[in-house]
Amino acid sequence: QSALTQPASVSGSPGQSITISCTGTSSDIGNYNLVSWYQQHPGKAPKLMIYEVYKRPSGVSNRFSGSKSGNTASLAISGLQAEDEADYYCCSYASSYFFGTGTKVTVL
Amino acid sequence: QLQLQESGPGLVKPSETLSLTCTVSGDSVSSSSYYWGWIRRPPEKGLEWIGSVFYSGTTTYYNPSLKSRVTISVDTSKNQFSLKLSSVTAADTAVYYCARELMSFQHWGQGTLVTVSS
Repeated sequence: QSALTQPASVSGSPGQSITISCTGTSSDIGNYNLVSWYQQHPGKAPKLMIYEVYKRPSGVSNRFSGSKSGNTASLAISGLQAEDEADYYCCSYASSYFFGTGTKVTVL
Repeated sequence: QLQLQESGPGLVKPSETLSLTCTVSGDSVSSSSYYWGWIRRPPEKGLEWIGSVFYSGTTTYYNPSLKSRVTISVDTSKNQFSLKLSSVTAADTAVYYCARELMSFQHWGQGTLVTVSS
């Protein structure tokens, strides 16, 4: 099974909203509500931002939201801030864990 | 506060076995709620799940692409869990992370770079 597909890069200006897509199959994203999203700044450990499609861990800004439709999950970031510039990875559980290809978010 | 810390050799020769340990503080690896997992990120590539172990050590599951070379175990007396990856090649060069898992990877260690080279 291949990695989940994400756009290589997404950019936006401060204050704008962006969305990152994560496309899988009916065997993973389409079959389980176990999609999570991770933020990784250079040289740092990944940080859990969203779990079980739309749930936010304590301490994560409500500017981050998750959703799913069919075989595609999405992470939306509203009110874009400079600190949001990082790599983002989706992940789906389907008897194993499959990460996405990763998306570099640039704040213009 | 939960903390995870990876440790082990930063340089491994090709064909040898990579061995890493994750020391957990602020929680017990014996906690019945969680799995404990390993994930890696090769240079210029994305994250890859390696495998996970249940707190009891009796249940493990591995990435099918690595399964033949991976062993993950738990040492409850030391509050640690470990990764062994055999027959390594340059393709196994990566930053290796340990994490606490419950259908997502909730808490991560800082990561340790392992380079495979002669």
